[in-house]
Amino acid sequence: GENVEQHPSTLSVQEGDSAVIKCTYSDSASNYFPWYKQELGKGPQLIIDIRSNVGEKKDQRIAVTLNKTAKHFSLHITETQPEDSAVYFCAASPPKDNFNKFYFGSGTKLNVKP
Amino acid sequence: NAGVTQTPKFQVLKTGQSMTLQCAQDMNHEYMSWYRQDPGMGLRLIHYSVGAGITDQGEVPNGYNVSRSTTEDFPLRLLSAAPSQTSVYFCASSPNRGPYEQYFGPGTRLTVT
Repeated sequence: GENVEQHPSTLSVQEGDSAVIKCTYSDSASNYFPWYKQELGKGPQLIIDIRSNVGEKKDQRIAVTLNKTAKHFSLHITETQPEDSAVYFCAASPPKDNFNKFYFGSGTKLNVKP
Repeated sequence: NAGVTQTPKFQVLKTGQSMTLQCAQDMNHEYMSWYRQDPGMGLRLIHYSVGAGITDQGEVPNGYNVSRSTTEDFPLRLLSAAPSQTSVYFCASSPNRGPYEQYFGPGTRLTVT
């Protein structure tokens, strides 16, 4: 099955700096790569996603890049703010029959220092 | 819309007890899933359903049962709780066909002593 690795496990940045989180996946059939943000005591919430036919996607301060050849994708957060502090998960989704299963990375705890 | 709701929020069980974690969604989503979240391991898929009456196993199904009698509800049953099942459990739903965004519930924190 799919194997997703995520780095780093913790990341501490100064407010206003950029943060980058990287993930690799193993199944070349994966065609959907979402990123989730999880605040303390809550369920994960989608912040951005990218499909395999696109190399980059941006949404304000957040961007995701995908390199299908190397099987890795990254989350970029610019001008970080204290409210960006949370745990971030990447996921990869290979199609299986009529359902896309999601395989998650182990998470990155981002701390933005004011 | 309430989205995805889960009950209870917290639960403590003794080894060998059984219980059901409830999950409901009001978005008319076909797909529903159960995950467990353990420190340093991300979210792992336990069971999933692609519609009423259809369920299948995920990565870590042992010790858990599911059923899907309606589109809205997808309960997760622990048959005989073990300390290894201490975890935070999340239910998620998404529209049919896809891939699409998964909407997660707030989670149930389960402790088995």
